[in-house]
Amino acid sequence: DTAVSQTPKYLVTQMGNDKSIKCEQNLGHDTMYWYKQDSKKFLKIMFSYNNKELIINETVPNRFSPKSPDKAHLNLHINSLELGDSAVYFCASSQEAGTLGSNQPQHFGDGTRLSIL
Amino acid sequence: AQSVAQPEDQVNVAEGNPLTVKCTYSVSGNPYLFWYVQYPNRGLQFLLKYITGDNLVKGSYGFEAEFNKSQTSFHLKKPSALVSDSALYFCALTKGGANNLFFGTGTRLTVIP
Repeated sequence: DTAVSQTPKYLVTQMGNDKSIKCEQNLGHDTMYWYKQDSKKFLKIMFSYNNKELIINETVPNRFSPKSPDKAHLNLHINSLELGDSAVYFCASSQEAGTLGSNQPQHFGDGTRLSIL
Repeated sequence: AQSVAQPEDQVNVAEGNPLTVKCTYSVSGNPYLFWYVQYPNRGLQFLLKYITGDNLVKGSYGFEAEFNKSQTSFHLKKPSALVSDSALYFCALTKGGANNLFFGTGTRLTVIP
Protein backbone atom coordinates (compact mmCIF):
# COMPACT_ATOMS: atom_id res chain seq x y z
CA ASP A 1 0.00 0.00 0.00
CA THR A 2 2.83 2.38 -0.94
CA ALA A 3 1.53 5.95 -0.99
CA VAL A 4 3.89 7.43 -3.61
CA SER A 5 5.67 4.95 -5.83
CA GLN A 6 8.32 5.60 -8.44
CA THR A 7 9.72 3.29 -11.06
CA PRO A 8 12.39 2.39 -11.73
CA LYS A 9 14.36 2.65 -8.48
CA TYR A 10 17.67 2.61 -10.35
CA LEU A 11 18.35 3.74 -13.89
CA VAL A 12 21.76 3.38 -15.51
CA THR A 13 22.09 4.54 -19.08
CA GLN A 14 24.39 6.05 -21.66
CA MET A 15 24.78 9.72 -22.45
CA GLY A 16 22.45 10.83 -25.24
CA ASN A 17 19.70 8.33 -24.48
CA ASP A 18 16.06 9.18 -23.70
CA LYS A 19 14.49 7.78 -20.54
CA SER A 20 11.32 8.07 -18.47
CA ILE A 21 10.57 7.84 -14.78
CA LYS A 22 7.05 7.04 -13.64
CA CYS A 23 5.29 8.19 -10.49
CA GLU A 24 1.96 7.23 -9.04
CA GLN A 25 0.22 8.28 -5.83
CA ASN A 26 -2.76 6.57 -4.21
CA LEU A 27 -3.43 9.28 -1.63
CA GLY A 28 -6.06 11.13 -3.63
CA HIS A 29 -3.86 14.25 -3.65
CA ASP A 30 -4.39 17.07 -6.14
CA THR A 31 -0.80 18.23 -6.47
CA MET A 32 2.31 16.35 -7.56
CA TYR A 33 5.94 17.41 -7.78
CA TRP A 34 9.32 16.42 -9.15
CA TYR A 35 12.49 17.24 -7.20
CA LYS A 36 16.14 16.68 -8.05
CA GLN A 37 18.63 15.77 -5.31
CA ASP A 38 22.25 16.18 -6.32
CA SER A 39 25.32 14.39 -5.01
CA LYS A 40 25.59 16.87 -2.13
CA LYS A 41 22.01 16.03 -1.11
CA PHE A 42 20.72 19.46 -2.17
CA LEU A 43 17.02 19.30 -3.10
CA LYS A 44 15.47 21.52 -5.74
CA ILE A 45 11.95 21.68 -7.12
CA MET A 46 11.68 21.00 -10.85
CA PHE A 47 7.97 20.86 -11.62
CA SER A 48 4.61 20.91 -9.93
CA TYR A 49 1.24 19.85 -11.32
CA ASN A 50 -2.16 20.53 -9.84
CA ASN A 51 -5.06 18.50 -11.23
CA LYS A 52 -3.04 17.68 -14.35
CA GLU A 53 -2.07 21.31 -14.98
CA LEU A 54 1.49 22.61 -14.77
CA ILE A 55 1.77 25.24 -12.03
CA ILE A 56 5.50 25.36 -11.34
CA ASN A 57 8.22 25.06 -13.93
CA GLU A 58 11.56 26.04 -12.47
CA THR A 59 14.60 26.72 -14.56
CA VAL A 60 15.03 23.25 -15.96
CA PRO A 61 16.42 22.38 -19.41
CA ASN A 62 13.66 21.71 -21.89
CA ARG A 63 15.09 18.21 -22.30
CA PHE A 64 13.00 17.49 -19.19
CA SER A 65 9.30 17.16 -19.89
CA PRO A 66 6.72 16.20 -17.28
CA LYS A 67 3.48 14.54 -18.28
CA SER A 68 0.41 14.03 -16.14
CA PRO A 69 -2.15 11.69 -17.73
CA ASP A 70 -4.37 11.99 -14.64
CA LYS A 71 -4.04 13.53 -11.21
CA ALA A 72 -2.66 10.30 -9.71
CA HIS A 73 0.27 10.12 -12.12
CA LEU A 74 3.15 12.43 -12.96
CA ASN A 75 5.82 11.03 -15.23
CA LEU A 76 9.15 12.61 -16.11
CA HIS A 77 10.67 12.16 -19.55
CA ILE A 78 14.27 13.16 -20.18
CA ASN A 79 15.73 13.52 -23.68
CA SER A 80 19.39 13.45 -24.67
CA LEU A 81 20.69 12.60 -21.24
CA GLU A 82 23.85 14.37 -20.08
CA LEU A 83 26.41 13.53 -17.40
CA GLY A 84 25.09 16.36 -15.22
CA ASP A 85 21.67 14.73 -15.09
CA SER A 86 23.05 12.07 -12.74
CA ALA A 87 21.12 12.54 -9.50
CA VAL A 88 18.29 11.12 -7.45
CA TYR A 89 14.87 12.25 -8.66
CA PHE A 90 12.02 12.36 -6.16
CA CYS A 91 8.34 12.47 -6.86
CA ALA A 92 6.03 13.90 -4.19
CA SER A 93 2.37 14.73 -3.71
CA SER A 94 0.28 16.87 -1.41
CA GLN A 95 -3.29 17.88 -0.80
CA GLU A 96 -4.04 21.21 -2.41
CA ALA A 97 -4.81 24.01 0.04
CA GLY A 98 -6.50 26.22 -2.54
CA THR A 99 -5.70 29.89 -2.72
CA LEU A 100 -3.80 29.76 0.55
CA GLY A 101 -1.09 27.76 -1.09
CA SER A 102 0.12 24.50 0.24
CA ASN A 103 0.48 24.30 3.99
CA GLN A 104 -0.01 20.58 3.62
CA PRO A 105 2.94 18.21 4.06
CA GLN A 106 4.32 16.57 0.98
CA HIS A 107 4.61 12.80 0.69
CA PHE A 108 7.69 11.57 -1.11
CA GLY A 109 8.50 8.48 -3.10
CA ASP A 110 11.76 6.64 -2.42
CA GLY A 111 13.51 8.18 -5.40
CA THR A 112 14.97 7.09 -8.71
CA ARG A 113 18.76 7.05 -8.82
CA LEU A 114 19.79 8.03 -12.33
CA SER A 115 23.39 7.33 -13.35
CA ILE A 116 24.70 8.46 -16.72
CA LEU A 117 27.72 6.60 -18.11
CA ALA B 1 13.02 35.77 -2.53
CA GLN B 2 12.95 33.10 0.10
CA SER B 3 15.74 30.96 1.49
CA VAL B 4 16.46 28.46 4.20
CA ALA B 5 19.78 28.01 5.97
CA GLN B 6 20.95 25.05 7.98
CA PRO B 7 24.28 26.22 9.35
CA GLU B 8 25.53 22.80 10.46
CA ASP B 9 26.31 20.08 7.95
CA GLN B 10 26.81 17.56 10.74
CA VAL B 11 25.55 17.24 14.31
CA ASN B 12 26.79 14.54 16.66
CA VAL B 13 25.06 13.80 19.93
CA ALA B 14 25.28 11.03 22.50
CA GLU B 15 22.31 8.72 22.89
CA GLY B 16 20.00 9.98 25.63
CA ASN B 17 21.17 13.58 25.34
CA PRO B 18 19.00 16.37 23.99
CA LEU B 19 19.50 17.28 20.35
CA THR B 20 19.03 20.48 18.38
CA VAL B 21 19.22 20.90 14.61
CA LYS B 22 19.26 24.54 13.58
CA CYS B 23 17.33 26.28 10.84
CA THR B 24 16.95 29.94 9.93
CA TYR B 25 14.89 31.38 7.12
CA SER B 26 14.38 34.47 5.04
CA VAL B 27 11.04 35.33 3.45
CA SER B 28 8.74 38.27 2.93
CA GLY B 29 5.40 37.65 4.54
CA ASN B 30 4.41 34.76 6.74
CA PRO B 31 6.20 31.46 6.17
CA TYR B 32 4.99 27.93 6.38
CA LEU B 33 7.89 25.95 7.86
CA PHE B 34 8.50 22.23 7.77
CA TRP B 35 10.96 19.62 8.96
CA TYR B 36 11.56 16.44 7.01
CA VAL B 37 13.82 13.46 7.72
CA GLN B 38 15.56 11.31 5.13
CA TYR B 39 16.89 7.84 5.90
CA PRO B 40 19.41 6.20 3.55
CA ASN B 41 17.97 5.29 0.14
CA ARG B 42 14.55 6.57 1.13
CA GLY B 43 12.39 9.57 0.32
CA LEU B 44 11.77 12.40 2.74
CA GLN B 45 9.33 11.87 5.57
CA PHE B 46 7.34 14.70 7.11
CA LEU B 47 8.08 15.36 10.79
CA LEU B 48 6.24 18.55 11.68
CA LYS B 49 5.13 21.96 10.44
CA TYR B 50 4.45 25.47 11.64
CA ILE B 51 1.65 27.36 9.95
CA THR B 52 0.28 29.71 12.59
CA GLY B 53 -0.60 29.77 16.26
CA ASP B 54 1.47 28.25 19.06
CA ASN B 55 5.18 28.76 18.40
CA LEU B 56 6.06 25.31 19.76
CA VAL B 57 4.94 22.54 17.45
CA LYS B 58 5.14 18.84 18.20
CA GLY B 59 5.66 16.22 15.57
CA SER B 60 6.44 12.60 14.91
CA TYR B 61 8.88 10.43 16.89
CA GLY B 62 9.05 12.85 19.83
CA PHE B 63 10.45 15.75 17.81
CA GLU B 64 9.38 19.35 18.33
CA ALA B 65 10.35 22.69 16.87
CA GLU B 66 10.06 26.27 18.02
CA PHE B 67 9.15 29.07 15.65
CA ASN B 68 10.92 32.30 16.59
CA LYS B 69 9.84 35.19 14.40
CA SER B 70 12.28 37.75 15.79
CA GLN B 71 15.23 35.45 15.16
CA THR B 72 13.69 33.98 11.97
CA SER B 73 14.50 30.51 13.26
CA PHE B 74 12.77 27.17 13.40
CA HIS B 75 15.12 24.83 15.28
CA LEU B 76 14.29 21.14 15.60
CA LYS B 77 14.64 19.59 19.04
CA LYS B 78 14.25 16.34 20.88
CA PRO B 79 14.73 15.88 24.63
CA SER B 80 16.44 12.48 24.42
CA ALA B 81 18.16 11.26 21.25
CA LEU B 82 17.93 7.68 20.00
CA VAL B 83 20.44 5.91 17.77
CA SER B 84 17.57 5.38 15.33
CA ASP B 85 17.25 9.19 14.97
CA SER B 86 20.49 9.17 12.95
CA ALA B 87 19.51 10.49 9.51
CA LEU B 88 19.58 13.54 7.25
CA TYR B 89 17.26 16.34 8.35
CA PHE B 90 15.87 19.03 6.08
CA CYS B 91 14.21 22.28 7.02
CA ALA B 92 11.88 23.65 4.34
CA LEU B 93 9.78 26.70 3.69
CA THR B 94 6.89 27.77 1.56
CA LYS B 95 4.55 30.69 1.89
CA GLY B 96 0.91 31.43 1.32
CA GLY B 97 -0.01 31.31 -2.35
CA ALA B 98 2.89 29.08 -3.31
CA ASN B 99 3.14 25.34 -3.56
CA ASN B 100 6.83 24.63 -3.92
CA LEU B 101 9.08 23.91 -0.98
CA PHE B 102 12.46 25.60 -0.59
CA PHE B 103 14.80 23.28 1.23
CA GLY B 104 17.84 23.92 3.36
CA THR B 105 21.02 22.06 2.55
CA GLY B 106 20.36 19.37 5.15
CA THR B 107 22.01 18.43 8.44
CA ARG B 108 23.30 14.95 9.04
CA LEU B 109 22.51 13.88 12.60
CA THR B 110 24.55 11.09 14.13
CA VAL B 111 23.51 9.72 17.50
CA ILE B 112 26.38 7.92 19.17
CA PRO B 113 25.53 4.89 21.33
